Amino acid sequence: QTAVTQEPSLTVSPGGTVTLTCAPSTGAVTSAFLPNWFQKRPGQAPRALIYTTSNKHSWTPARFSGSLLGGKAALTLSGVQPEDEAEYYCLLSYGGKWVFGGGTKLTVL
Amino acid sequence: QVQLVQSGAEVKRPGASVKLSCKTSGYIFTSYYIHWVRQAPGQGLEWVGIMNTPGGNTNRARNLEDRVTLTQDRSTSTVYMELSSLRSGDTAIYFCIREKHGGYFDYWGQGTLVTVSS
Repeated sequence: QTAVTQEPSLTVSPGGTVTLTCAPSTGAVTSAFLPNWFQKRPGQAPRALIYTTSNKHSWTPARFSGSLLGGKAALTLSGVQPEDEAEYYCLLSYGGKWVFGGGTKLTVL
Repeated sequence: QVQLVQSGAEVKRPGASVKLSCKTSGYIFTSYYIHWVRQAPGQGLEWVGIMNTPGGNTNRARNLEDRVTLTQDRSTSTVYMELSSLRSGDTAIYFCIREKHGGYFDYWGQGTLVTVSS
C-alpha cells in the first residue's frame, strides 16, 4: 500500500507562519491526487479544512491555505493562533482508493 | 442541516463481527459518496472504504478488503460498514464522512468506538 509522508511534528510561535507538507513515497503530488486537509483535535471528530488542493470551506479560517509546493501538497498557516494546536492530516486519491498521510502534530508555543 | 449520525459504541470478542451505521440527513443521499475512516488509539487516520451511493459499488483499503463489507439502505439514507474476524488491532474510533464526487470532503459523523477485547 502506498505510503504518504507528513512531518511528524512541528512547532510554531503564536502569530508565526508554518507550512506542513504531504508527499507520496514515489513521485510528486499533482492536482489529480485531489489533496484534502483535515484538522483533528483529541476527543473530536476531524474537521475538513481544504479540498482539492487549495479550496477552502465556508468555515475554514482565512489564515489556512493549501497549495502544491515542490512536488508536495502543502498547508500553510499564517498568523497562527493558540487554537490551531492540533494534528493535521492530508488525504490523497489513488484512483478509487484514498490514503491518509501519517499526520503532523502542530504545537503552538 | 446536514447530519451524519453514527451508531453507538460496541465491544466485541476477537473473531466476531461488528456492523456500524451512518445515518445521513439534510441533503440528497445519492449526491454524495460516504467514506469510512478509522483511528486506532495513538495512531493516525486510516481510510477504510467508500460507498458510491448512486451506483451502489464500493472500494476498500487493500489491507481490509477481505474483511470489510459496505452496504446501504437508500430508503433510510443510511450506510453500513461490517468488519469481520475482528482482532485487537481493529480497536479504533470509526468515522463516516461524505464526499461530493471529485474530492470535496466536508461533513463527518461523530464517530463510533469499537473495542475488541477478550
